[in-house]
Amino acid sequence: RKEVEQDPGPFNVPEGATVAFNCTYSNSASQSFFWYRQDCRKEPKLLMSVYSSGNEDGRFTAQLNRASQYISLLIRDSKLSDSATYLCVVNGNYGGSQGNLIFGKGTKLSVKP
Amino acid sequence: GAVVSQHPSRVICKSGTSVKIECRSLDFQATTMFWYRQFPKQSLMLMATSNEGSKATYEQGVEKDKFLINHASLTLSTLTVTSAHPEDSSFYICSAGPRGNIQYFGAGTRLSVL
Repeated sequence: RKEVEQDPGPFNVPEGATVAFNCTYSNSASQSFFWYRQDCRKEPKLLMSVYSSGNEDGRFTAQLNRASQYISLLIRDSKLSDSATYLCVVNGNYGGSQGNLIFGKGTKLSVKP
Repeated sequence: GAVVSQHPSRVICKSGTSVKIECRSLDFQATTMFWYRQFPKQSLMLMATSNEGSKATYEQGVEKDKFLINHASLTLSTLTVTSAHPEDSSFYICSAGPRGNIQYFGAGTRLSVL
């Protein structure tokens, strides 16, 4: 089983749609979770951290289910500028404080007018 | 926010050439930096962990003599791809973070070996 698995996508949605991405991780000792977005041929940029209680940042809501080892990202009212690849990321240095990140392959989102 | 600068952004070189990539943390000190590689349509894969003042830690399958890492100061790590070959063509990205868990990425270096 891969360490971090995501919906393969691509997701093609109209502007204004709500879209949800799912992710599972294999190591139950993982402690830190993130969603990054990566635009074509660019570096990943942090979108948001994911907390156990769930967290929201504007149109973006992230949730974590530790029992199921499952992470989700919900995007409401999609904008054209949301088109990107969304990476589910887990801190791989279990129990440590270092930033060794394990990336999922990413889910590509295309928002159409 | 924290800024990580990576240079150069693009390299095209002949087979057999060595290529040096620099990664700098601009407004914080980084005792640890990370080097990743991303092939087309693939996820980022960690190559090595760069430790200031000590040897880098390489992931399984990554040749340390092929990918030389030097982390001589708290703000600079370099990755040298020695005797590059076409199969080394990839997108190389470094990351660092002021507090470890949240990582900021350099803009990446796209290496094309002819």
